[in-house]
Formats: sequence, C-alpha cells, structure tokens
Amino acid sequence: EDKVVQSPLSLVVHEGDTVTLNCSYEVTNFRSLLWYKQEKKAPTFLFMLTSSGIEKKSGRLSSILDKKELFSILNITATQTGDSAVYLCAGEGGGADGLTFGKGTHLIIQP
Amino acid sequence: SQTIHQWPATLVQPVGSPLSLECTVEGTSNPNLYWYRQAAGRGLQLLFYSVGIGQISSEVPQNLSASRPQDRQFILSSKKLLLSDSGFYLCAWSVRAINRWRNTEAFFGQGTRLTVV
Repeated sequence: EDKVVQSPLSLVVHEGDTVTLNCSYEVTNFRSLLWYKQEKKAPTFLFMLTSSGIEKKSGRLSSILDKKELFSILNITATQTGDSAVYLCAGEGGGADGLTFGKGTHLIIQP
Repeated sequence: SQTIHQWPATLVQPVGSPLSLECTVEGTSNPNLYWYRQAAGRGLQLLFYSVGIGQISSEVPQNLSASRPQDRQFILSSKKLLLSDSGFYLCAWSVRAINRWRNTEAFFGQGTRLTVV
C-alpha cells in the first residue's frame, strides 16, 4: 500500500523565520511528488517534482526531491502570516490515477 | 481557463438520508475526475476516479458511489448516510494523459463540508 508521511504535523514559528517541511514516501511505480497549500478549502498547487536533486523555486518557497532516500522537503524563507496553512505532500504512482496524500503539516506563522 | 465548481459548500444531513454532491469542470475536455475525502487526522483519501463517461473506479470499499453522466460532471452519492460519512469532500480534475506516464497535477474544487447527524 502506498504511503506518504509528513513531518512535523504542526509547527508554529514567528514571522521572518525559515521553515522546512518534510515528506517521505513509499509509492509503487513512483512518478512524481507534489506539494499543495491548503488555506481554507481547496488545496492549491505549489510544485511537482520528478527528478532528484533539482530544486524548484517560487518566490520564497522552494522544494527538492531525493529519489534515492525517498523524501522531499519544502522550504519557506522569510515567512509571513499569509504562509499560515496546511501544506500537503502527495505521491503519484502507477497503481492508480489518483494521488496518495500525507496528513499535512499545519503551519502557523505568528506576527 | 479551466474552472471546477463543486456544490454545496456545506451540508448537514441526518443518518439514513440520501446524498448527492455534484462537481462540474469547465474549459477542458476529457478530464480525469476524482473524489477525495479529507477526514480529521487522516489526510486526503482517494475515493473514486474516472477516466471517462460511465467509467468509475473505486479505491476503498464504502457506503458511497460515484457516477459520471457527462464528460465534465462527476457526482458522489449515497443511498443511506452513516455517521462515519462525515468529512470534507473534494472533487478534483487532471488532464487526461495520452501517455499513461505523463505527469499531471490535480486541480481541486472548493470542497463540501458534510456533517451527518
């Protein structure tokens, strides 16, 4: 059975801090790893990672995949209160056409 | 541009009552469609996915069913709701991959908060 584990489950930091969110996966016929941000309802897409060692960046957010160790990290630098959300990691494999999601990391940025 | 619309946003229904949640996608053709449930502490769980009209695959045994009567319409149903059906239901779509190994991301609707009482 495919499995995605995220850590920490919950994190509280102050504005301006840098955070690193972790995601490990066991996905049959792994194809890609995806990160989503869920603020209130619908998760919004952040990154899709398919190749090891290639960092993807979007503003203050960046992510990288390690296919040998089966994990990914999501970094957020100079955090702002608007970064407060649940960050979801999902693995895409060949077993089904859907994604296997982790439980998410609930990130709270305090002013 | 593509949009996905899911309704209702919130629903409170008694145990044993029927359920129908609807999801429609605009601006694309032949999408893959998905129903997910997000239960507290369990993350997002795939319930059903569909690669075409009338084609439904179920990922987990449950009290729910799904139907796809039109290309861009996906419906989640139940004949008799259970308390355990409470949760946050998300509909999503992705581009139909010509090559099965093409990587595509999923786009989500706003979700339906279902409370069974």
